Amino acid sequence: ETGVTQSPTHLIKTRGQQVTLRCSSQSGHNTVSWYQQALGQGPQFIFQYYREEENGRGNFPPRFSGLQFPNYSSELNVNALELDDSALYLCASSFTHSDTQYFGPGTRLTVL
Amino acid sequence: GDSVTQMEGPVTLSEEAFLTINCTYTATGYPSLFWYVQYPGEGLQLLLKATKADDKGSNKGFEATYRKETTSFHLEKGSVQVSDSAVYFCAPRNAGGTSYGKLTFGQGTILTVHP
Repeated sequence: ETGVTQSPTHLIKTRGQQVTLRCSSQSGHNTVSWYQQALGQGPQFIFQYYREEENGRGNFPPRFSGLQFPNYSSELNVNALELDDSALYLCASSFTHSDTQYFGPGTRLTVL
Repeated sequence: GDSVTQMEGPVTLSEEAFLTINCTYTATGYPSLFWYVQYPGEGLQLLLKATKADDKGSNKGFEATYRKETTSFHLEKGSVQVSDSAVYFCAPRNAGGTSYGKLTFGQGTILTVHP
């Protein structure tokens, strides 16, 4: 059984650019959640997608947006990048929105 | 909103010592409780969970009991190993409202175990 995978592993962007991060959920999981983890901090909830619909959102501005596809894979898009967006972005999948979340290895984004 | 208070680290122990990492939380409704572990340069791995009061989660020698009266979920291990060195996160999962299913994390507790 394949676990949660994320791509790319690392990414470097400059301020003002846009970025797309990708996540493939674990087999059989229909829910994907995204978290941002700044250096030395705990992860912060960005949003969750359940059966292709946004199912909850944390305290992040609208320039953070997402998609979930029919195969339940997901994208996180961030527009107008700021220096403070530099972080590890974690994706987690679960059988449903109320089940245990399993995390991928993360994408390390650096904004210069 | 939900919040978590974890024991401040870093925690430094010798191999085979007893480990306790305290965790208290505030949450809406009746959350499920989780401990995740993060090794350097990696994502989070589920360590253990408990879904109702007095449940004990356990895995790899680690244990934690869901204490509803004290809103606590302290992590314990009787004999730590060097390989347990990592960052540990306690996280309640939101049980209602607009962010149902959301995990709330504290800052984490860094554990270093010396031989």
